[in-house]
Amino acid sequence: QVQLQESGPGLVKPSETLSLTCTVSAGSISTYYWTWIRQPAGKGLEWIGRIYTSGITNYNPSLKSRLTMSIDTSKNQFSLNLSSVTAADTAVYYCARERQLGDESWFDPWGQGTLVTVSS
Amino acid sequence: QSVLTQPPSVSEGPRQRVTISCSGSSSNIGNNAVNWYQQLPGKAPKLLIYYDDLLPSGVSDRFSGSKSGTSASLAISGLQSEDEADYYCAAWDDSLNGWVFGGGTKLTVL
Repeated sequence: QVQLQESGPGLVKPSETLSLTCTVSAGSISTYYWTWIRQPAGKGLEWIGRIYTSGITNYNPSLKSRLTMSIDTSKNQFSLNLSSVTAADTAVYYCARERQLGDESWFDPWGQGTLVTVSS
Repeated sequence: QSVLTQPPSVSEGPRQRVTISCSGSSSNIGNNAVNWYQQLPGKAPKLLIYYDDLLPSGVSDRFSGSKSGTSASLAISGLQSEDEADYYCAAWDDSLNGWVFGGGTKLTVL
């Protein structure tokens, strides 16, 4: 059963870059889209963006100018870099696999999430 | 403000049935499948319904999904205390070229 685990600093200073990695275990990272989603405390889910095995990306338009995603198939990992962070970027960050059936897809499974706080 | 609209909260008694609505537009629900996720307190979201009305393996058949036009619904029958959670709908949006979520609905079992 595929499992996902987020890792990275839990505290980032304002104006710096938030960097997270998601490690995929018990399964291959190939031929899937891999997604990042975040959730501020007490609020709803926000899709950040996704990356395909080939490196093709789709980003949330509201974050696109600050966002970079990458994938390392040799390590079964994909990563998120969000630059120029502010307190508004404080959230639990989840990674998830996007499974497909025809033209439709869904998120399964999800990682357990990692809290990132932006503060000086 | 979320692209998909859900009621903030719903409540019903044990063993009863409740429905949660999710309203969108032609660029998302009207043209793409809807998925539902359950988030238990303090936990990561979990897939509950996919492709409008399909149940993943291991999910109770007390949960069901439906879609009509630009709206979708999640129904939960035989409510149990363990169903208390936040429920989110999601769909791909062709105009935004990305995923959109509902704001989430908090279910309370009275």
